[in-house]
Amino acid sequence: TQLLEQSPQFLSIQEGENLTVYCNSSSVFSSLQWYRQEPGEGPVLLVTVVTGGEVKKLKRLTFQFGDARKDSSLHITAAQPGDTGLYLCAGAYSGAGSYQLTFGKGTKLSVIP
Amino acid sequence: GAGVSQSPSNKVTEKGKDVELRCDPISGHTALYWYRQRLGQGLEFLIYFQGNSAPDKSGLPSDRFSAERTGESVSTLTIQRTQQEDSAVYLCASSFVGSNQPQHFGDGTRLSIL
Repeated sequence: TQLLEQSPQFLSIQEGENLTVYCNSSSVFSSLQWYRQEPGEGPVLLVTVVTGGEVKKLKRLTFQFGDARKDSSLHITAAQPGDTGLYLCAGAYSGAGSYQLTFGKGTKLSVIP
Repeated sequence: GAGVSQSPSNKVTEKGKDVELRCDPISGHTALYWYRQRLGQGLEFLIYFQGNSAPDKSGLPSDRFSAERTGESVSTLTIQRTQQEDSAVYLCASSFVGSNQPQHFGDGTRLSIL
């Protein structure tokens, strides 16, 4: 069973602060996706990273894929209340069942105005 | 444009009853997934359909759980003889084939077993 650890599990910060969320595995991902989920809704894809060392930016969000493709991070600059939600990373592993995504338990972010 | 549609949005039922959850995927998406999300948890893979291939049922937690999909259309997830531990949000997602393809999720069915 592939395990994907996310940290921290909960994060409460003031508007304007910066934060980083981490996603780690002992196995190598073929690709990794980050999703954001709001209460009562399904997750929505933010980004997919494929290449080791890759960095992608989405406005104030910066996503980084580790060189060894075993870890990833999401950094939010100057957090806004609209960033509040559950952030999920999901990894795809090579080989049999590679269409499956293994999801982390998520980081629940609260941005206080 | 239609996204993934799930019904019902909420379902409350008594322990021991059978329930059927429905998922309408995005047209053209050959891959369809069912997940379970318990309160405060991540997504737990249940089953995967791709076209007319045999489904991957490796995530189904017990033989009380089953799912069907006809071709590339609607899918139903059935839970027989429900137990209280079945209470969760059941999410359906569809995508084009490929692990890098984004999965498009419905808003889920919140199932509560009394």
